Amino acid sequence: IAGITQAPTSQILAAGRRMTLRCTQDMRHNAMYWYRQDLGLGLRLIHYSNTAGTTGKGEVPDGYSVSRANTDDFPLTLASAVPSQTSVYFCASSEGPNNEQFFGPGTRLTVL
Amino acid sequence: GQNIDQPTEMTATEGAIVQINCTYQTSGFNGLFWYQQHAGEAPTFLSYNVLDGLEEKGRFSSFLSRSKGYSYLLLKELQMKDSASYLCAVRDSNYQLIWGAGTKLIIKP
Repeated sequence: IAGITQAPTSQILAAGRRMTLRCTQDMRHNAMYWYRQDLGLGLRLIHYSNTAGTTGKGEVPDGYSVSRANTDDFPLTLASAVPSQTSVYFCASSEGPNNEQFFGPGTRLTVL
Repeated sequence: GQNIDQPTEMTATEGAIVQINCTYQTSGFNGLFWYQQHAGEAPTFLSYNVLDGLEEKGRFSSFLSRSKGYSYLLLKELQMKDSASYLCAVRDSNYQLIWGAGTKLIIKP
């Protein structure tokens, strides 16, 4: 693989279900990010990780959790999905917090 | 609060020049980014400004005035493939990116 991959590409989920969105990068970037993108709004940061083993909360963290056990992987978990979490989710990475971010292809999530 | 403003939509003609403006009010400033996003795809990096002035990169240029909280992206010799959304983002004092809602650029033949 080259760059950032995300899985699944799209998903329809019943409200109340647990869901993990996967993100893997092979660029050995230290920093990784999860955003959601909704129509008419800018990208909003959910959680971030500046280096493996550390995570931080972004602008809209409620209802989401992340882990960063290693450099390459940064999964995003919705513990109990709600319809307001219907969105397109983008994972991104950068060499460090000061560098430009590279984005994965996105996951389109619909919660019914 | 933090705010990034850009026009929602712009229309331009193939071969022409278009300027997309971005104004910002953020808690601190550590650089401004422009990204391009085609419909249904991921954003891709276009340019970065941290000092005042113009940065030129081929057909695309980006300008920054920190005192005015203002940037623009200039696209020259427009091509149909330039039809996309253009996202302005500012890195704040916490080194997080604050994103504008994007400007949808429509190119007409």
